[in-house]
Amino acid sequence: DAKTTQPNSMESNEEEPVHLPCNHSTISGTDYIHWYRQLPSQGPEYVIHGLTSNVNNRMASLAIAEDRKSSTLILHRATLRDAAVYYCILRPRYTGNQFYFGTGTSLTVIP
Amino acid sequence: DTEVTQTPKHLVMGMTNKKSLKCEQHMGHRAMYWYKQKAKKPPELMFVYSYEKLSINESVPSRFSPECPNSSLLNLHLHALQPEDSALYLCASSQDGTGGLRGYTFGSGTRLTVV
Repeated sequence: DAKTTQPNSMESNEEEPVHLPCNHSTISGTDYIHWYRQLPSQGPEYVIHGLTSNVNNRMASLAIAEDRKSSTLILHRATLRDAAVYYCILRPRYTGNQFYFGTGTSLTVIP
Repeated sequence: DTEVTQTPKHLVMGMTNKKSLKCEQHMGHRAMYWYKQKAKKPPELMFVYSYEKLSINESVPSRFSPECPNSSLLNLHLHALQPEDSALYLCASSQDGTGGLRGYTFGSGTRLTVV
């Protein structure tokens, strides 16, 4: 399984942008990059996903490097409710049932 | 309905008990999953059902027995568990097995304590 590497923890001030990095140097050409987050005492929730191009949705933006070996999840204005563990996961295009979590980044938002 | 519902939310069981965890979704998803999550660790994949057939079993001990009675329901039967099996058990579903779709919907989990 292709693996991802993320920093264990990051801090951000409230109302500031947050850039959460993820390295996936062994990504294959058919792997989608997914991001999930897990708030305390809840199950993980979908944030965003992409293949090659940058993606935006109401929650966040995903910037994918041209060689696809890394990506960055961007929260444009961090709020206290964004404090969570953020997981970067590679999901195979044709066998997408194999969905394995890495260690994730614990984001602390400082008021 | 865009939710995955897990019951019970909390469960305490003795090592000789038999209990079951239940998961339900009504989104028409045809893949369903069980994950186990220990404190401060990422979720670990246990089982995958695709179109009601078991497609992945991640070498889980036989004291955990999954069952998929229909496309909306997923059960996890527990028997003779050990204290180290105490964890948060998460259920998830997805539209199908391809990676390009939106992804998984997770339930809030069942917090299991084995005494």
